[in-house]
Amino acid sequence: GAGVSQSPRYKVAKRGQDVALRCDPISGHVSLFWYQQALGQGPEFLTYFQNEAQLDKSGLPSDRFFAERPEGSVSTLKIQRTQQEDSAVYLCASSPNRQQGQPQHFGDGTRLSIL
Amino acid sequence: AQSVAQPEDQVNVAEGNPLTVKCTYSVSGNPYLFWYVQYPNRGLQFLLKYITGDNLVKGSYGFEAEFNKSQTSFHLKKPSALVSDSALYFCAVRDPSGSGYSTLTFGKGTMLLVSP
Repeated sequence: GAGVSQSPRYKVAKRGQDVALRCDPISGHVSLFWYQQALGQGPEFLTYFQNEAQLDKSGLPSDRFFAERPEGSVSTLKIQRTQQEDSAVYLCASSPNRQQGQPQHFGDGTRLSIL
Repeated sequence: AQSVAQPEDQVNVAEGNPLTVKCTYSVSGNPYLFWYVQYPNRGLQFLLKYITGDNLVKGSYGFEAEFNKSQTSFHLKKPSALVSDSALYFCAVRDPSGSGYSTLTFGKGTMLLVSP
């Protein structure tokens, strides 16, 4: 497809389970971002990749959160030992290069619910 | 640290009337400013941006925004609202003046409701 694709769209997990969220960016896009959007809030930055390099992970809320982009295209956000406060929409975005004036292209997100 | 404030949780306007969604920002350098729109259960869609140049920028779907450096504002406007404009609007800022890559900081969003 032409846009950023995220899967699954919805994920329900029990507290303590591990989850993996996938992002397929627009083909050829160098920069990839993950955001967490809590209900009624704006997206909050989690981490940033330039190709396969994770250049900024300052927004990851704890060491239970881990992201990778091993071949510089598809990225996975993993959350270990999930907690109820992890419930949110996780958004992935990509942009063509590292120029900071470029707008980011967002996927439709994964809505994660922790029971 | 950079920040964005959207002082209104919700803006109500009648179809055909002009609309304004407010945004103020705080950065240490010259800002890059963006507006995005989010429809239910969808990701954010880019509307417009200010990087440099003319203070009035025009974007998608007839929207425009005015950069005001003295008031540190970047309000979103449209001359004539449509019911289909009803959605959640986010203002975002980044400060490119430092070394390395700076993150994009979003406001908490403003719900725009356009009544028929």
